[in-house]
Amino acid sequence: GAVVSQHPSWVICKSGTSVKIECRSLDFQATTMFWYRQFPKQSLMLMATSNEGSKATYEQGVEKDKFLINHASLTLSTLTVTSAHPEDSSFYICSALTVTTEAFFGQGTRLTVV
Amino acid sequence: KQEVTQIPAALSVPEGENLVLNCSFTDSAIYNLQWFRQDPGKGLTSLLLIQSSQREQTSGRLNASLDKSSGRSTLYIAASQPGDSATYLCAVPYNTDKLIFGTGTRLQVFP
Repeated sequence: GAVVSQHPSWVICKSGTSVKIECRSLDFQATTMFWYRQFPKQSLMLMATSNEGSKATYEQGVEKDKFLINHASLTLSTLTVTSAHPEDSSFYICSALTVTTEAFFGQGTRLTVV
Repeated sequence: KQEVTQIPAALSVPEGENLVLNCSFTDSAIYNLQWFRQDPGKGLTSLLLIQSSQREQTSGRLNASLDKSSGRSTLYIAASQPGDSATYLCAVPYNTDKLIFGTGTRLQVFP
């Protein structure tokens, strides 16, 4: 299957700083990528849809100024958590769609804000 | 509004057993259904994708079926192994390819 690489796999940052997470489709081009957040023992919660060359579409309740998404190329989308606070600590996962609309996911990023 | 439910929520079995995981969805107007597994602290691994025109898909010991009219999909795992222990999620796309995930089945296969 297709490969989606997410980096870093874990990060610890101080409260008030910003953290950038990268999501790359390694062997296919993805015009659409998605960013999810997952709390312990819960299912994935969609945060936003990232479209190459245009602004991301955010789900209701997700602060677009806090979670900045950039999809500058067909193989890379980034999520920046700005001015992170402890409540932003979570597991963030990206996915990318192939041309056959099959979704492949990154390995996830464990963010801990201290 | 599409809702996806999985039964059972958790399952613990000895290795070697054949397993059936169930997924139901309320809106049958889907164009595919995907099954994933998630290991603790990891991302999702795609297992099988069934297009709406298909009735089933097979990969190794895994077989997934789809019955759109009744809003159901089943993931069958043959001869389960401890390495199959994970959370299994089904998902259907809606509204420009966003995925709605089921509630998940947490599987534990013990030696």
